[in-house]
Amino acid sequence: EPEVTQTPSHQVTQMGQEVILRCVPISNHLYFYWYRQILGQKVEFLVSFYNNEISEKSEIFDDQFSVERPDGSNFTLKIRSTKLEDSAMYFCASSVRSEAFFGQGTRLTVV
Amino acid sequence: EDKVVQSPLSLVVHEGDTVTLNCSYEVTNFRSLLWYKQEKKAPTFLFMLTSSGIEKKSGRLSSILDKKELFSILNITATQTGDSAVYLCAVSSSGNTGKLIFGQGTTLQVKP
Repeated sequence: EPEVTQTPSHQVTQMGQEVILRCVPISNHLYFYWYRQILGQKVEFLVSFYNNEISEKSEIFDDQFSVERPDGSNFTLKIRSTKLEDSAMYFCASSVRSEAFFGQGTRLTVV
Repeated sequence: EDKVVQSPLSLVVHEGDTVTLNCSYEVTNFRSLLWYKQEKKAPTFLFMLTSSGIEKKSGRLSSILDKKELFSILNITATQTGDSAVYLCAVSSSGNTGKLIFGQGTTLQVKP
């Protein structure tokens, strides 16, 4: 069964460092997303990406964040200068329309 | 502001019990409501509901949507310990972004 894959599963980084989270969406899907879940809190939308551009972003997705689809298969989330409050589980998802399928997540710990 | 509220926040039952999880929403231009099960990490898709009154069923799980009263329920019959998880409700609004707004989840624990 096709699935969304994310790497790495866990990343520890120092405050102020740049991180890149990687995702391979399901191959025939058209919409790609990043969500995050801070421990004990709800899943929050960060950004959606369609037709090689951002289609919507949340208030959380400020200038420190960027997304890219560098080739036909990968979809990345970059955080330029990490803060302690960026520590969370980051989920990539993809969909044809509304029915989004999620990857296993990357747990980002900023120390 | 778009909002999704789930109740109860947590629930403890014994194997064999039937549970009903609730999700209410206030969303501009509603398109669909989705239920996910989150065990350790990724939310896994259960159901997508777009029309009122049509029950979706998968094994012991079923769900229905009421677009007039703006809520949905997820029923699990004959619960098993493997049903222990966080159940997430999410709503999608119209437009071409596909963005989902999640509720805070219901934590279900099924005891043997």
